[in-house]
Amino acid sequence: AQSVAQPEDQVNVAEGNPLTVKCTYSVSGNPYLFWYVQYPNRGLQFLLKYITGDNLVKGSYGFEAEFNKSQTSFHLKKPSALVSDSALYFCAVRDMPDNDMRFGAGTRLTVKP
Amino acid sequence: DAGVTQSPTHLIKTRGQQVTLRCSPKSGHDTVSWYQQALGQGPQFIFQYYEEEERQRGNFPDRFSGHQYPNYSSELNVNALLLGDSALYLCASSLGDGNEQFFGPGTRLTVL
Repeated sequence: AQSVAQPEDQVNVAEGNPLTVKCTYSVSGNPYLFWYVQYPNRGLQFLLKYITGDNLVKGSYGFEAEFNKSQTSFHLKKPSALVSDSALYFCAVRDMPDNDMRFGAGTRLTVKP
Repeated sequence: DAGVTQSPTHLIKTRGQQVTLRCSPKSGHDTVSWYQQALGQGPQFIFQYYEEEERQRGNFPDRFSGHQYPNYSSELNVNALLLGDSALYLCASSLGDGNEQFFGPGTRLTVL
């Protein structure tokens, strides 16, 4: 069965600095990988996905993620953080054709002015 | 174009009661998935409905059941509520396999 690990509960960065939120995964087949963001008392908002193709995936709000098959990682990145990026970020994986999407425990990103 | 909608927003029940949560998918979407998100944790997959059938189920007891209607809307039913069922219940819709899921705002269930 597939699984996802987000090794950092909390990431703190200064506004304007680059940010990275880490994610590693485990699947038996080819992974479908996703990043979502959750603001307080809200549902999850889709940021980006990797299914196949280029290892660098660009998504919403200036975020991107790099798929690394050898390291089984899918880290979320942004070149210049904004205070408004402060939220809870979830990595998720699906091992097709299994429709069960597994989420990580989440990483709380805090961007300080 | 309305996104995924869920009702009610909040719900308070007592142990042993039954609850029904409702979800309307994003326009054009035919697949609905339900998740339970306990405080401080990531969402956990409950089940997925497609063409009015339960297509996949996570590790949840039979007290959790669902339904999908011909208009693709869905319900989540939980019987014999336990304190541990207190959580944010999220509905997500998608079109086809492998595509991103769009989430609703959730229903916050509190069991006393």
